[in-house]
Amino acid sequence: EADIYQTPRYLVIGTGKKITLECSQTMGHDKMYWYQQDPGMELHLIHYSYGVNSTEKGDLSSESTVSRIRTEHFPLTLESARPSHTSQYLCASSDADRVTGELFFGEGSRLTVL
Amino acid sequence: AQSVTQLDSHVSVSEGTPVLLRCNYSSSYSPSLFWYVQHPNKGLQLLLKYTSAATLVKGINGFEAEFKKSETSFHLTKPSAHMSDAAEYFCVVSDRDKGFQKLVFGTGTRLLVSP
Repeated sequence: EADIYQTPRYLVIGTGKKITLECSQTMGHDKMYWYQQDPGMELHLIHYSYGVNSTEKGDLSSESTVSRIRTEHFPLTLESARPSHTSQYLCASSDADRVTGELFFGEGSRLTVL
Repeated sequence: AQSVTQLDSHVSVSEGTPVLLRCNYSSSYSPSLFWYVQHPNKGLQLLLKYTSAATLVKGINGFEAEFKKSETSFHLTKPSAHMSDAAEYFCVVSDRDKGFQKLVFGTGTRLLVSP
């Protein structure tokens, strides 16, 4: 079992609310990622981080923001949620510098915005 | 940029029969390829990976995949399906952007296993 945890697992909120999805890993990995996955669709990278104080936008444009103040913690925030943000958000981490490395995934946070 | 194409969105098999999930890749250099599995309401788990060593790669739970450069394929197989194999399977290629590793996912294949 990978030691990467996401909370909440499920969240239903109203439009306009601010939400933060938490992601923590206990493996000491430098690299962390957020992927967005719509039902029956592939995963799209929305944010990633090389390490503390490093954040980059991924391939899919997202209105969410991330922060990396501690190695183990990579939260994702939506300032004002909208129904279009309804999706599953998957956090992952890796310690590999080479392209052969494995990503370890959390179990996901399924967000529904009404 | 690297990409993968999963040729089937759904595959249905009976328990005890062979499984074949097809994947083709596009790469400008020798790729690293992965298969990940996602069970319902769970995160993704690595099944196996190819990293330019042996072309036949063995993974967990009896799965294996063969890298065929001439066909640009990396199909996933298992000799005998089990009910617990029912899940979503993603073929993945590793890409680099500004020196940073990223995984590029296929659209997924849902494996259905009937008794």
